[in-house]
Amino acid sequence: ETGVTQSPTHLIKTRGQQVTLRCSSQSGHNTVSWYQQALGQGPQFIFQYYREEENGRGNFPPRFSGLQFPNYSSELNVNALELDDSALYLCASSSVGHYGYTFGSGTRLTVV
Amino acid sequence: AQTVTQSQPEMSVQEAETVTLSCTYDTSENNYYLFWYKQPPSRQMILVIRQEAYKQQNATENRFSVNFQKAAKSFSLKISDSQLGDTAMYFCAFIKAQGGSEKLVFGKGTKLTVNP
Repeated sequence: ETGVTQSPTHLIKTRGQQVTLRCSSQSGHNTVSWYQQALGQGPQFIFQYYREEENGRGNFPPRFSGLQFPNYSSELNVNALELDDSALYLCASSSVGHYGYTFGSGTRLTVV
Repeated sequence: AQTVTQSQPEMSVQEAETVTLSCTYDTSENNYYLFWYKQPPSRQMILVIRQEAYKQQNATENRFSVNFQKAAKSFSLKISDSQLGDTAMYFCAFIKAQGGSEKLVFGKGTKLTVNP
């Protein structure tokens, strides 16, 4: 059974640029959620994808968008990067209704 | 909206001793799950223990156990026989168990250090 894999592990971008983060779900899971974890804070829910559609969103602006693919992998896209977007981005997969979440090791994004 | 509060930013314990981490939450929901996650320097969130709100019996996983007080909205984690590998950030989290979006709400975390 494979776990959740995220890429890249680290990334440095310039303010105003766009970034794409990737996540491969654990085998057998059909939902993917993305979280932003600022330094010294708990993770904050960005959104969840199920059946390739957004299935709930946290308090994040529309420049945060995502995709889920038929193989249940996912992308998080952030446009017009701001300095405050610097954080650890975590992906978690699960089977809907089972409430068991497997997290990846995250992507550390630094915006300069 | 649900909130999760962890009132202990940092704690330390001697190896082999017992430590308890506190968590309180606020919700009007009746059906939900509570979790404790461990986040070592490797950054991956690792599930320590899970509690279903409708179960009165406290969950246990080897050296880890919880004290779930539903009326008080309290969910503390007890780590027995602490080991050096238990050093990590610990996050308490809540999710409501209904249809729709499955959104985990996390506390701000407790940094636990186990000293030799």
